[in-house]
Amino acid sequence: SQTIHQWPATLVQPVGSPLSLECTVEGTSNPNLYWYRQAAGRGLQLLFYSVGIGQISSEVPQNLSASRPQDRQFILSSKKLLLSDSGFYLCAWSVGQRITDTQYFGPGTRLTVL
Amino acid sequence: AQKVTQAQTEISVVEKEDVTLDCVYETRDTTYYLFWYKQPPSGELVFLIRRNSFDEQNEISGRYSWNFQKSTSSFNFTITASQVVDSAVYFCALSAVGGGADGLTFGKGTHLIIQP
Repeated sequence: SQTIHQWPATLVQPVGSPLSLECTVEGTSNPNLYWYRQAAGRGLQLLFYSVGIGQISSEVPQNLSASRPQDRQFILSSKKLLLSDSGFYLCAWSVGQRITDTQYFGPGTRLTVL
Repeated sequence: AQKVTQAQTEISVVEKEDVTLDCVYETRDTTYYLFWYKQPPSGELVFLIRRNSFDEQNEISGRYSWNFQKSTSSFNFTITASQVVDSAVYFCALSAVGGGADGLTFGKGTHLIIQP
């Protein structure tokens, strides 16, 4: 069966510090991968998605970047964190290449920027 | 552009009551998919159901049931005989082939509180 991991689970970082969040998927190959952010108040916003190694699409301009160095690894980064980057970051995967395929989510990383 | 509206921000019921969570969507696409996810306090989003726009049959899974009505662009979720473990935030989401978005469009969620 497929599983998705995210780490760290929680993170407290000062403003201006770098960020690296990691997501890995097991039990499947060539998945679509997604990064979402859930700010306080619950709404989920798609940040990045990837259909393959090195292929990243960004949904909104922001202080963040994403990379996919391996088939089942998706990394969210920032060179300098802002207060507004605080939130709950969720990684998701889908088994197919269509955006309408079911997305399965990881446990999330709660980021607090002080 | 596509949009999902969950007008109920928070619902509180007593255990064993039935509760319905509303979801209204907007899309110009004729082919689309609707989803419901559950987010318990732990934070992980748990997939509940996926329904395509060509299948308007209602679905029942245990105490959960979904009512899809294209005429009113709604995809409502009912929990029968609610239990405390049902307490969570529930999200309705939409994905359309030509919707212009590359991921799920989520509603803002409904916080469901089941009181013992």
